[in-house]
Amino acid sequence: EPEVTQTPSHQVTQMGQEVILRCVPISNHLYFYWYRQILGQKVEFLVSFYNNEISEKSEIFDDQFSVERPDGSNFTLKIRSTKLEDSAMYFCASTRLANTGELFFGEGSRLTVL
Amino acid sequence: AQSVSQHNHHVILSEAASLELGCNYSYGGTVNLFWYVQYPGQHLQLLLKYFSGDPLVKGIKGFEAEFIKSKFSFNLRKPSVQWSDTAEYFCAVTPTDSWGKLQFGAGTQVVVTP
Repeated sequence: EPEVTQTPSHQVTQMGQEVILRCVPISNHLYFYWYRQILGQKVEFLVSFYNNEISEKSEIFDDQFSVERPDGSNFTLKIRSTKLEDSAMYFCASTRLANTGELFFGEGSRLTVL
Repeated sequence: AQSVSQHNHHVILSEAASLELGCNYSYGGTVNLFWYVQYPGQHLQLLLKYFSGDPLVKGIKGFEAEFIKSKFSFNLRKPSVQWSDTAEYFCAVTPTDSWGKLQFGAGTQVVVTP
């Protein structure tokens, strides 16, 4: 069964460093998303991406964040200068048709900022 | 403000017991409703969804949910749980014009004892 894969599973970084989280969505999917979950808090929407551009972003997704689909398979989330409060589990998701409402999630990348 | 509330954070029950998880939402327009599940060590996956029509929807693994518009509720039920239903369950909503922007509840950790 095809699945969304994310790397790394866990990354530890120093405050102020740049981090790139990588995702390989399911191959025929067209819509891509990043969510995050800070420990003890709700899963929160960050950004949606379609046709090589951001469709929608939340207030959390400020100038420190960016997303890219550099080739036909990867979908990345970059945090330019990490802060302590960026520590969270980051989930990538994809779907083929936006109006099914069914997102396929990866297992997440845990980011720890020291 | 938009919000999704799940009534229980942690539920422990025995195999064959019935399960009901409460979910209420607050939103100023028409929404789509979902329950997602995360089994231990696995990714979030869709359990069931409601867009319109029959307010009683059936999902995978014997789960069902009932949408009660007047109560802004979408409660999840299973008549007889199994040990394999041990998981975290998330209620989520999206506005009907923004399908991928899921707003999640805090989740309910369900533990089923043999």
